[in-house]
Amino acid sequence: NAGVTQTPKFQVLKTGQSMTLQCAQDMNHEYMSWYRQDPGMGLRLIHYSVGAGITDQGEVPNGYNVSRSTTEDFPLRLLSAAPSQTSVYFCASSPTGQGPEQYFGPGTRLTVT
Amino acid sequence: AQTVTQSQPEMSVQEAETVTLSCTYDTSENNYYLFWYKQPPSRQMILVIRQEAYKQQNATENRFSVNFQKAAKSFSLKISDSQLGDTAMYFCAFMKHEGWGGSRLTFGEGTQLTVNP
Repeated sequence: NAGVTQTPKFQVLKTGQSMTLQCAQDMNHEYMSWYRQDPGMGLRLIHYSVGAGITDQGEVPNGYNVSRSTTEDFPLRLLSAAPSQTSVYFCASSPTGQGPEQYFGPGTRLTVT
Repeated sequence: AQTVTQSQPEMSVQEAETVTLSCTYDTSENNYYLFWYKQPPSRQMILVIRQEAYKQQNATENRFSVNFQKAAKSFSLKISDSQLGDTAMYFCAFMKHEGWGGSRLTFGEGTQLTVNP
């Protein structure tokens, strides 16, 4: 198993550009989520999904869209990037009803200039 | 809403010594989990230890142990025999036990631990 994979590892965007951060898992996990990590603030939940076709907002959803068309994939879309979205983004997954452990991807470092 | 507070932004310890990282949390929930995650310079989030709120016994994983004080809402991490590889950012995290099996984590701000040779 590859676990949770994220692409790209690094990305630089200009203000106003759009992009999609990819997240995939091959463990058949139902639950997937996106966090952002900023200095001095820990990780904060952006969006999460409890299964294909079901998504919901976390703590800091503004400026981000998600969709979940398959169990394996959970992309995060930035429609119009802003400097405030400069951060490290982590995707995580877990099997619902089988314990609380989440499996994190390696992260994507995004810089918006 | 839950909050998690780590009041020590940075700590250092000599190799082979013991260090304790502090964490407090605020919640009105009775069923929940608490975690310590380690983030080395590689950026990977690594689960160190977890504690179920209904268990009175403190969790232990090799050199890592916790002091869970439910009434005081305190959850500290003790690292014994510190090793250079323990140098990392450490995050305390809270998860409410949810009936649908969800896994939303609330993180503290982190404590940067440096182990000195």
